[in-house]
Amino acid sequence: GESVGLHLPTLSVQEGDNSIINCAYSNSASDYFIWYKQESGKGPQFIIDIRSNMDKRQGQRVTVLLNKTVKHLSLQIAATQPGDSAVYFCAESPPGGSQGNLIFGKGTKLSVKP
Amino acid sequence: KAGVTQTPRYLIKTRGQQVTLSCSPISGHRSVSWYQQTPGQGLQFLFEYFSETQRNKGNFPGRFSGRQFSNSRSEMNVSTLELGDSALYLCASSLGTGYGNTEAFFGQGTRLTVV
Repeated sequence: GESVGLHLPTLSVQEGDNSIINCAYSNSASDYFIWYKQESGKGPQFIIDIRSNMDKRQGQRVTVLLNKTVKHLSLQIAATQPGDSAVYFCAESPPGGSQGNLIFGKGTKLSVKP
Repeated sequence: KAGVTQTPRYLIKTRGQQVTLSCSPISGHRSVSWYQQTPGQGLQFLFEYFSETQRNKGNFPGRFSGRQFSNSRSEMNVSTLELGDSALYLCASSLGTGYGNTEAFFGQGTRLTVV
């Protein structure tokens, strides 16, 4: 498969454990944030999003937390499965943006051990 | 519903040549954005088109250009290719009508190798 990053931070977890992936974003005025998952050879896939007027949002097995004070996002994955192994990116939409112009973080590689 | 389609999937070009990449968005989506992904720089925004107009542009040289057609399909062009242009080029489509129309769907990308 294709490598999307040679020097990515890596998080290794045991199957069934919870995973927490962190991200620092750049613009304090950004108003919309997204987490993407990218598997080898594929484009990024939307996981969950959150607007700046919220501090927490839950999906199926995933939760995103937003701390605007320190410009920090986290993605929590419950009961991590081998299929969750991928590179995870946070992205922010600058103020006034159309969500067509996203600023991506460097990514974190999640490795799930069976 | 068909996803975002990018063609070709793989491309090898020689330095100095030019290349055109194509993206067909999801039916009904009017916004198409292009990103360059490299191991060193990660995912970087190139430009966004909406209704045939460039709406946003990233910090790339003028060798990188794009356009959008009336059916929302988009092409990007890179002229005078350099070795550093080798990357995965990703296209994303979304409804594009602003706040509240959020999710961007990505294609599988075109892997460009410049030799």
